[in-house]
Amino acid sequence: DVKVTQSSRYLVKRTGEKVFLECVQDMDHENMFWYRQDPGLGLRLIYFSYDVKMKEKGDIPEGYSVSREKKERFSLILESASTNQTSMYLCASTGDHEQFFGPGTRLTVL
Amino acid sequence: GQSLEQPSEVTAVEGAIVQINCTYQTSGFYGLSWYQQHDGGAPTFLSYNALDGLEETGRFSSFLSRSDSYGYLLLQELQMKDSASYFCAVSPNSGAGSYQLTFGKGTKLSVIP
Repeated sequence: DVKVTQSSRYLVKRTGEKVFLECVQDMDHENMFWYRQDPGLGLRLIYFSYDVKMKEKGDIPEGYSVSREKKERFSLILESASTNQTSMYLCASTGDHEQFFGPGTRLTVL
Repeated sequence: GQSLEQPSEVTAVEGAIVQINCTYQTSGFYGLSWYQQHDGGAPTFLSYNALDGLEETGRFSSFLSRSDSYGYLLLQELQMKDSASYFCAVSPNSGAGSYQLTFGKGTKLSVIP
């Protein structure tokens, strides 16, 4: 059974903290994505990667960075968390046109 | 830029048919996808259309008209478990970025007895 896993389901951090969200897929997919989902706004793409060490900005990259050192792992980094980054974060991977999503991390920044 | 329009909410009766429309304006177009998301769950893939016409998968069908920048998801024989949010998504690029998606804001479908 294909699987995308995320390191935490719930996370609470303080303003200014550095936050790492981890995503691992076991499908040997080249493409991986980070989205945030907010009520009424749908899913918005933060960053994506189509190969190891390759990254591309999505629609809302400000305040975020990413790392892809291994094919199966894609990390999202909030350099200095702010309250407006409180959201649901979803990771996905794909080898063709079907994206497989992880369960999501609900991040609260206080 | 990219924009996708879909209704925010739809209500339908169990056993009926419902159609969820999606219109898009994008700088490039490679295909239209549909995803389902239950409350508290992750989005799951339903369908992908790259060419004009209707694609059928069981009770669900998806249609695309590239000339009209329009597509829809058709759900037949509605069941209570179909209550969920449905997102259309466009692949705006070709090449290495062709699997990148831009999502609509979602349509919340409520199925009532």
